[in-house]
Amino acid sequence: AQKITQTQPGMFVQEKEAVTLDCTYDTSDQSYGLFWYKQPSSGEMIFLIYQGSYDEQNATEGRYSLNFQKARKSANLVISASQLGDSAMYFCAIRRGPPGGGNKLTFGTGTQLKVEL
Amino acid sequence: GAGVSQSPSNKVTEKGKDVELRCDPISGHTALYWYRQSLGQGLEFLIYFQGNSAPDKSGLPSDRFSAERTGGSVSTLTIQRTQQEDSAVYLCASSFPSGRAKNIQYFGAGTRLSVL
Repeated sequence: AQKITQTQPGMFVQEKEAVTLDCTYDTSDQSYGLFWYKQPSSGEMIFLIYQGSYDEQNATEGRYSLNFQKARKSANLVISASQLGDSAMYFCAIRRGPPGGGNKLTFGTGTQLKVEL
Repeated sequence: GAGVSQSPSNKVTEKGKDVELRCDPISGHTALYWYRQSLGQGLEFLIYFQGNSAPDKSGLPSDRFSAERTGGSVSTLTIQRTQQEDSAVYLCASSFPSGRAKNIQYFGAGTRLSVL
């Protein structure tokens, strides 16, 4: 079974500062994918960034980067230059990689981020 | 629209009634997923459809829950004899076929179900 742990139920950050949201995972698979999603108060889950277990470089997407430490089973999300619109719930998720591993995502409990002026 | 569309956005029903939730995936996406988000259980996988293959129903919580996908596109999640513990947000997602390494799942806005 796969498991995601997000230990920060809530985080505050000042506008324009960087913030790191923690995510650790547990899996016995060699191939897997790690995802971060953002869920604003509107409810829709918005894909942010993906990291494959065999990717040697940390993933980056604009202001989002993923600090992937495979040996520690850690996949922290870093948001640079925070904006008020970044205030939302953030979920880390894991999926078994191909082949034949299925495609369902296992989510963590989420971190509520509040960006302040 | 270009995204995953779910209807209704909100549904209030009485205990014991049946409900149907609809999901229209992104055009070209052959994989479709249902998840449930509740305060007590967080985000849980329910069911997964991939093309014409048999669906993965391993996450359905009871036999009151069923889902179908007609014509490889629109999906309906049906909950029979609803109970108060079924109250949750039901999220649908779609993606390109499984087997791709990245295979991003894109979500709809969800249906908020309240069982009175």
